[in-house]
Amino acid sequence: GESVGLHLPTLSVQEGDNSIINCAYSNSASDYFIWYKQESGKGPQFIIDIRSNMDKRQGQRVTVLLNKTVKHLSLQIAATQPGDSAVYFCAEKKGNTPLVFGKGTRLSVIA
Amino acid sequence: DGGITQSPKYLFRKEGQNVTLSCEQNLNHDAMYWYRQDPGQGLRLIYYSQIVNDFQKGDIAEGYSVSREKKESFPLTVTSAQKNPTAFYLCASFRDRGTGELFFGEGSRLTVL
Repeated sequence: GESVGLHLPTLSVQEGDNSIINCAYSNSASDYFIWYKQESGKGPQFIIDIRSNMDKRQGQRVTVLLNKTVKHLSLQIAATQPGDSAVYFCAEKKGNTPLVFGKGTRLSVIA
Repeated sequence: DGGITQSPKYLFRKEGQNVTLSCEQNLNHDAMYWYRQDPGQGLRLIYYSQIVNDFQKGDIAEGYSVSREKKESFPLTVTSAQKNPTAFYLCASFRDRGTGELFFGEGSRLTVL
């Protein structure tokens, strides 16, 4: 059942440090894994994605790691900045079916 | 600029009233989606449409209805049958460039008084 008022997992990091946000996914047959960033009161924004046949992909200040053995996905943010404070969602996609989103992690950057 | 526009941004409704949330995109995307987000929680799929004049129920379709008469538009009606409609509603469209990237609107916050 649904838990009303469930608090998101929170990660607090010092400005300038690296952040690692983790996600466990459910479908070993998913084709793509995607990370989204959602700032308060706004829609999610695409950050980076990775195909299921890759282990690692790098973007600007971000790296996504995929471990298919344990169905684990992580997002690494280098030199975390105050503007990185947001809720981060992982999502998985198989074929033509809609994205399935994880619960989200709130990142708080301490200046 | 291309994008997805949701309106209204804030909406108040009395119990027993139906309300319709607008979602318009000029990205020429085929697929469109409606998600519901409750405080401190993830996104749950309400309805989606992969082509004009066709749509499918998502995980929490009860109490909602949609139409897809035009490629650009995918309005969501929250009916009086929806028991707990207060939430943040997000519309998205899909760009098939070989990944799963969804483009989201800015959301509509519905409050039932």
